[in-house]
Amino acid sequence: GDSVTQMEGPVTLSEEAFLTINCTYTATGYPSLFWYVQYPGEGLQLLLKATKADDKGSNKGFEATYRKETTSFHLEKGSVQVSDSAVYFCALTNSGGGADGLTFGKGTHLIIQP
Amino acid sequence: DAGVIQSPRHEVTEMGQEVTLRCKPISGHDYLFWYRQTMMRGLELLIYFNNNVPIDDSGMPEDRFSAKMPNASFSTLKIQPSEPRDSAVYFCASTFRGYETQYFGPGTRLLVL
Repeated sequence: GDSVTQMEGPVTLSEEAFLTINCTYTATGYPSLFWYVQYPGEGLQLLLKATKADDKGSNKGFEATYRKETTSFHLEKGSVQVSDSAVYFCALTNSGGGADGLTFGKGTHLIIQP
Repeated sequence: DAGVIQSPRHEVTEMGQEVTLRCKPISGHDYLFWYRQTMMRGLELLIYFNNNVPIDDSGMPEDRFSAKMPNASFSTLKIQPSEPRDSAVYFCASTFRGYETQYFGPGTRLLVL
């Protein structure tokens, strides 16, 4: 079946540091890929997504590129802020444009220190 | 829009008791998903509905778990009898056909003693 693997952390960085959170996947066909973020005590919010190979999703300074050749969707940000502290989930769906359940990675806890 | 609404936000119960979790999806969405989040297993899909009909319940852990969607604006997830290993955060999410992004509720944190 489909699966997502991501670094689990915690990842601790200083403010203004460069961030990379690795994510790789295993799936049949052409899945859509997502990054969700979860702030303490809240539900998951979509951060960005990409639906086909070589697409780049971006939002709030975060970026991720859909790399089919390496089956990866790494999350990057050039300069992190304390407010970016949260848990980040990489996920995929193989719904083919319909709707289906999401397969999630285990989540990466990011801690940004001032 | 108010977003996906879940109740209760927190539930503490004793082993053997029945627990009912509730979800109101975003108006106009025709897909509804139930997920469970634990430290050991992460986020897992339990069941999802399309137009109030269960489509895939292969993630429901055992017969103690059941889910219903009597109408487009309401769904329940019931555990009877509850066990300590059911302790987790349960999330509801909704979306509409052709739009893969799912919108999550704030979750229900369940503790079974």
